[in-house]
Amino acid sequence: KQEVTQIPAALSVPEGENLVLNCSFTDSAIYNLQWFRQDPGKGLTSLLLIQSSQREQTSGRLNASLDKSSGRSTLYIAASQPGDSATYLCAASTDSWGKLQFGAGTQVVVTP
Amino acid sequence: DVKVTQSSRYLVKRTGEKVFLECVQDMDHENMFWYRQDPGLGLRLIYFSYDVKMKEKGDIPEGYSVSREKKERFSLILESASTNQTSMYLCAFKLQRVLRNTGELFFGEGSRLTVL
Repeated sequence: KQEVTQIPAALSVPEGENLVLNCSFTDSAIYNLQWFRQDPGKGLTSLLLIQSSQREQTSGRLNASLDKSSGRSTLYIAASQPGDSATYLCAASTDSWGKLQFGAGTQVVVTP
Repeated sequence: DVKVTQSSRYLVKRTGEKVFLECVQDMDHENMFWYRQDPGLGLRLIYFSYDVKMKEKGDIPEGYSVSREKKERFSLILESASTNQTSMYLCAFKLQRVLRNTGELFFGEGSRLTVL
């Protein structure tokens, strides 16, 4: 069974610094990997999805990379802002049904 | 713009009550999911459905059932609620479009259930 790990569990950075969030997975035969953002008490907002055939995806200040051979994905957030404060979750799928295995998340605080 | 709506944001029920959580999507997506989220345990898949009247168990189906009579609506049922089912419940669907069948999941706002 796919296991997904996110380290660190929490991260605090000053505004303007770049954020680097790590995600590792045990089964390299993934179908895709998705990054989400979750604000307190809310649902999940999809940020980026990387297909197994891709190495990275970009959207605005966000860039996610995927290295299947090492079982890692990294989410980069450039020039962080206080509004980026949230919990970031990564999730891996090993089939086309869409079933996701989630990491525990990294709680990010960006201080003004 | 994709949208999935969960009928109740907050519910308080008593032990033994039957509870229905509803989820509605506004497009013709086939695959829908129910997850629960708990501190320290993360998100875990309860059930998913890949078409009307079709369902598959996820990782933690015990104590739950589901219903999908119409494609746009997927209901999670707690036949007899217990205190250990106090949790945040999240519904999701898999985006399916002709040129964009990437497997991307979209989630609703969640339903926070408290069982007393």
